Amino acid sequence: DAKTTQPNSMESNEEEPVHLPCNHSTISGTDYIHWYRQLPSQGPEYVIHGLTSNVNNRMASLAIAEDRKSSTLILHRATLRDAAVYYCILQNRDDKIIFGKGTRLHILP
Amino acid sequence: KAGVTQTPRYLIKTRGQQVTLSCSPISGHRSVSWYQQTPGQGLQFLFEYFSETQRNKGNFPGRFSGRQFSNSRSEMNVSTLELGDSALYLCASSLIGEGWDEQFFGPGTRLTVL
Repeated sequence: DAKTTQPNSMESNEEEPVHLPCNHSTISGTDYIHWYRQLPSQGPEYVIHGLTSNVNNRMASLAIAEDRKSSTLILHRATLRDAAVYYCILQNRDDKIIFGKGTRLHILP
Repeated sequence: KAGVTQTPRYLIKTRGQQVTLSCSPISGHRSVSWYQQTPGQGLQFLFEYFSETQRNKGNFPGRFSGRQFSNSRSEMNVSTLELGDSALYLCASSLIGEGWDEQFFGPGTRLTVL
């Protein structure tokens, strides 16, 4: 069973911010929260990860709830190239990695 | 630096046959994970190898096996192929497979079982 829960799909307008939610209520203290995305006909690519604090990189921001039971991936200004399936996963060295079905993000021009 | 490479990119087999897929990780990466992706089940974790040892395993039957060589290259083998094994098989490498470690995925091998 997936350790994370995400909406099946979301829509956003181009050049607007996008907030992709993820619930992970059974997260353990050693689990890192990772986000990957998969563009059509490609393997997944890393987006961002965090443990407890909010994180920013050139692609996105990750906001982690104080109790760590949920997180939100923020794309600050969506472009058509951001249309993909976004996966939120929990990762630690001692456990198998479970990808859920992810959120299919549609960007409207 | 070169990314993760997988060979072959496409493969057609018949039921009952066996197949071996190969993955070359990014230079310096010691952890290699394998995933199966199908439209119905999504991305499913097969196993992870680190320093030639299987460290984690998903819920797949024993027909699915793998190994890792001293140069970190990895192979996975599927014996007695079934129609349901048709899928995209993805390999991902990371430095040491820790929780904070970023995984780099290859382009995948598309296996079709007839």
